[in-house]
Amino acid sequence: EAGVAQSPRYKIIEKRQSVAFWCNPISGHATLYWYQQILGQGPKLLIQFQNNGVVDDSQLPKDRFSAERLKGVDSTLKIQPAKLEDSAVYLCASSLGTRNGYTFGSGTRLTVV
Amino acid sequence: QKEVEQDPGPLSVPEGAIVSLNCTYSNSAFQYFMWYRQYSRKGPELLMYTYSSGNKEDGRFTAQVDKSSKYISLFIRDSQPSDSATYLCAMSGEYSGAGSYQLTFGKGTKLSVIP
Repeated sequence: EAGVAQSPRYKIIEKRQSVAFWCNPISGHATLYWYQQILGQGPKLLIQFQNNGVVDDSQLPKDRFSAERLKGVDSTLKIQPAKLEDSAVYLCASSLGTRNGYTFGSGTRLTVV
Repeated sequence: QKEVEQDPGPLSVPEGAIVSLNCTYSNSAFQYFMWYRQYSRKGPELLMYTYSSGNKEDGRFTAQVDKSSKYISLFIRDSQPSDSATYLCAMSGEYSGAGSYQLTFGKGTKLSVIP
C-alpha cells in the first residue's frame, strides 16, 4: 500500500511571500488532516476534511492560511503571506476513520526567512 | 496548563536498558491513547494504541493507561539503537463526527539508545 505523499519536501521563502503544499492521501481514505509541527513541539491540527468537505478548521489562521481538497482526494495547503512564525513541518495524514490512528506523510519542512 | 504534558528529554540510555516514557493530561474526555514514533525528518508512525485504562503489550513495547491519575506510559524493553527516535503521546476523545477523530499530541521525548 502506497503511503501518504507530500511535496515539496523542503521550501525556503522570504516573509510575506506565498507558498503551497500538496498532499496525496492513501487511496480510499476519506479523512484527511493537515497538522503543523513546530520544532520541539508535537503536531497541532490545522484542518480536517471528510471527503471534500471541511469538518473542522477552527485552528486554521484563516487570515493567511487556506486549504482545499478537490474531488475528495488530493489536498493543498496555502500560506499567503507567510510570517517567520510559520516556519515548521507541515504534516498531512489520512485515515479510514478507524480508531487506531492515522498514516502520516513525511511532511514539508518550511523555513521562512 | 497544557492539555497534554510530556517531558521533551533528551533521554539517553545504553543498549539493552528498559526505557520508560510518560505523559500526563488534564482533559477527562480523552478515551483513546496512542504512542507514535518519529524518526528524524519523517512523519510520526503509530506504535501503540489503547482504549481507556489498562495495559497493552506488543513485543518489546508495553503501553499503560491510568485514567484515574490521568497518566500514560510507554515501556521499551531491551532497547536497541534502532529505537532512537522521538516518541510522541497522542490522545483523543470520542468521534468528532463524520466517522473521524482528532488527536492532541504531547511535545515528544527524544530518545537515544547508545550501543
